[in-house]
Amino acid sequence: KQEVTQIPAALSVPEGENLVLNCSFTDSAIYNLQWFRQDPGKGLTSLLLIQSSQREQTSGRLNASLDKSSGRSTLYIAASQPGDSATYLCAVPSQGGSEKLVFGKGTKLTVNP
Amino acid sequence: KAGVTQTPRYLIKTRGQQVTLSCSPISGHRSVSWYQQTPGQGLQFLFEYFSETQRNKGNFPGRFSGRQFSNSRSEMNVSTLELGDSALYLCASSLRTSDTDTQYFGPGTRLTVL
Repeated sequence: KQEVTQIPAALSVPEGENLVLNCSFTDSAIYNLQWFRQDPGKGLTSLLLIQSSQREQTSGRLNASLDKSSGRSTLYIAASQPGDSATYLCAVPSQGGSEKLVFGKGTKLTVNP
Repeated sequence: KAGVTQTPRYLIKTRGQQVTLSCSPISGHRSVSWYQQTPGQGLQFLFEYFSETQRNKGNFPGRFSGRQFSNSRSEMNVSTLELGDSALYLCASSLRTSDTDTQYFGPGTRLTVL
C-alpha cells in the first residue's frame, strides 16, 4: 500500500530565503509524482508533474526533483515571497495507470515579509 | 479554457439528510475523480469515473455514491449524513490518455453537517 510522507509539517522562513520541501513514498513503482499548492479553504493548484523517467522539472522559481530508487522527491523554492505562503502537497498514483492519487499531509509554508 | 467547476461552493446540512454535489470537468476531459479532505485524515480518494463508468473506488461506506453523465459532468451523493462527513469535497479532472496526465482540481464544496 502506497504511503506518502511530507516533512516538515510546517515551515516558517523570512522573505527571500531559498527553501526545500520534502516528500517520500513507500512504493517506488510510480509513474509520476505531482506537487500541488493549496491556499486556505481553496482547491488544489497543480505546480509540477514529474514523470517517472525524469529527474526534475522546473517552473519559474520552482524546481522539483525525483529519485525513484530512494522514494523521495523535493520541491525547491528560490527567493521565497509572502505570496508563496500556502500548503504544499505531493501526490503519487496508487498504482500504475490509476487516477487515484495518494497524498501526503502537506507542508504548511509561511513566508514572512 | 475554463477550469474545473464545482457547485455549490458551500452547504450546510443536518444529520440524516442527503446531499448531492456537482462537478463539471475541463472541456475535453473524460475522467473525474472525487476526494474528501479533512484536517485529520487529509485528502482521501472517494472514486473515479471515466466515460460514465466507475473505474476506481476508495474505502468509503456505501452512503457515498457517484455517477457521471455523457457530457462528463459528475455528481456525488452522500446519504444519511453524519457529523464526520463535514469536509471539503474536491473533484479533479484529467484527459486520462496516459500515465502522465496532470489532474486539475476544482475549488471544492465545503460541506458542514450539524
